[in-house]
Amino acid sequence: DGGITQSPKYLFRKEGQNVTLSCEQNLNHDAMYWYRQDPGQGLRLIYYSQIVNDFQKGDIAEGYSVSREKKESFPLTVTSAQKNPTAFYLCASSEDRAGTQYFGPGTRLTVL
Amino acid sequence: AQSVSQHNHHVILSEAASLELGCNYSYGGTVNLFWYVQYPGQHLQLLLKYFSGDPLVKGIKGFEAEFIKSKFSFNLRKPSVQWSDTAEYFCAVNRGTSYGKLTFGQGTILTVHP
Repeated sequence: DGGITQSPKYLFRKEGQNVTLSCEQNLNHDAMYWYRQDPGQGLRLIYYSQIVNDFQKGDIAEGYSVSREKKESFPLTVTSAQKNPTAFYLCASSEDRAGTQYFGPGTRLTVL
Repeated sequence: AQSVSQHNHHVILSEAASLELGCNYSYGGTVNLFWYVQYPGQHLQLLLKYFSGDPLVKGIKGFEAEFIKSKFSFNLRKPSVQWSDTAEYFCAVNRGTSYGKLTFGQGTILTVHP
């Protein structure tokens, strides 16, 4: 059963702590993406990776980091430098250059 | 910078009413256009997409969208909505020169009353 999995579904973090969100796909897609979703703002691109061992900053990369050591995996770390980290985080992968993306179920991060 | 604008933040309709959600973008070159839908508690999923050809595209669940190049618009339509169409709808644009990247609109929440 192909798809994208994200874990955990809910995550709570204390201020000042780094936290890593998991994203795994078995669709054999080269490209993967991380978005942040806030009410009334749509989805904003944090980081993306077109191929293993390569990634690029999106529109709101400050306070986040990623790695892409395997094709299937694209973890996102929310660092303590991110000023407003409480949000819903979505991971996606793409099957084509035109942008057809498939999304995971998301992780809701709350910073206490 | 490219931007995508959805005109309505929240639309409320009764069942069987017709739906049109507006989407405009600001980039003038080649674009690929998408509508995604997020049902309550579910993944964001693709509703329909336009790459080229017939500007009227049909998607799942009776939705369609029309690309009007001169107006930089890609409006979503459905002749008769159902309660199950209650969801948030997102328009997204890919610049033809930008590998796979999407810029999303702000989203429109559609509430359909039975």
